[in-house]
Amino acid sequence: QLQLQESGSGLVRPSQTLSLTCTVSGVSIGSGPHCWTWIRQPPGRGLEWIGFVYHTGSGYYNPSLKSRVTISVDKSTNQFSLTLHSVTAADTAVYYCAREDSGIDYWGQGTQVTVSS
Amino acid sequence: QSVLTQPPSVSGAPGQRVTISCTGSSSNIGSGYDVHWYQQLPGTAPKLLLYGTNNRPSGVPDRFSASKSGTSASLAITGLQAEDEADYYCQSYDTSLRVFGGGTKLTVL
Repeated sequence: QLQLQESGSGLVRPSQTLSLTCTVSGVSIGSGPHCWTWIRQPPGRGLEWIGFVYHTGSGYYNPSLKSRVTISVDKSTNQFSLTLHSVTAADTAVYYCAREDSGIDYWGQGTQVTVSS
Repeated sequence: QSVLTQPPSVSGAPGQRVTISCTGSSSNIGSGYDVHWYQQLPGTAPKLLLYGTNNRPSGVPDRFSASKSGTSASLAITGLQAEDEADYYCQSYDTSLRVFGGGTKLTVL
């Protein structure tokens, strides 16, 4: 059974860098052309797609975040990661890692990230 | 402001049928891209409810169905149950990008 688990800092200072890692178990990231995805949900609000990476390392980002975001993949550890630079309070959210096949079919439980001094 | 537009809330009594609309544009739903639907119960991660417009993952009851026409899609829930009270999101594509609706809160009266 495929499972995803987010990890990383829950508190980030304004203007600093947010870094999260998603550990995938039950399937190899390199096994197929799936989209390894990050999505976030600000408090009391809807879902926002951040972007995804293929097992090849290429991917796509939300244009509204593209200048600040990088999603990378490490097949050796079966993990993929999110880096978001120059964060502000508007980046406070629950961050989900997920896998997209036909729809986003597997989700992590989510991790709260708060941007505050 | 979400790319796809959903009503903020809908409600219905147990046993009734409700629908949730998802309105896009010619660059996303209107281009023929698939629409997927997600259910998010309070305090939990979203769950894929319907994919490829009207396909149900294993375990999703056939009370849930969806359709698409032109630049819009809709989710229908029949035989409404208390456990259906949740937030529902539509999702589609805009070229290689993924776009979500703003979400609809379903209240079971």
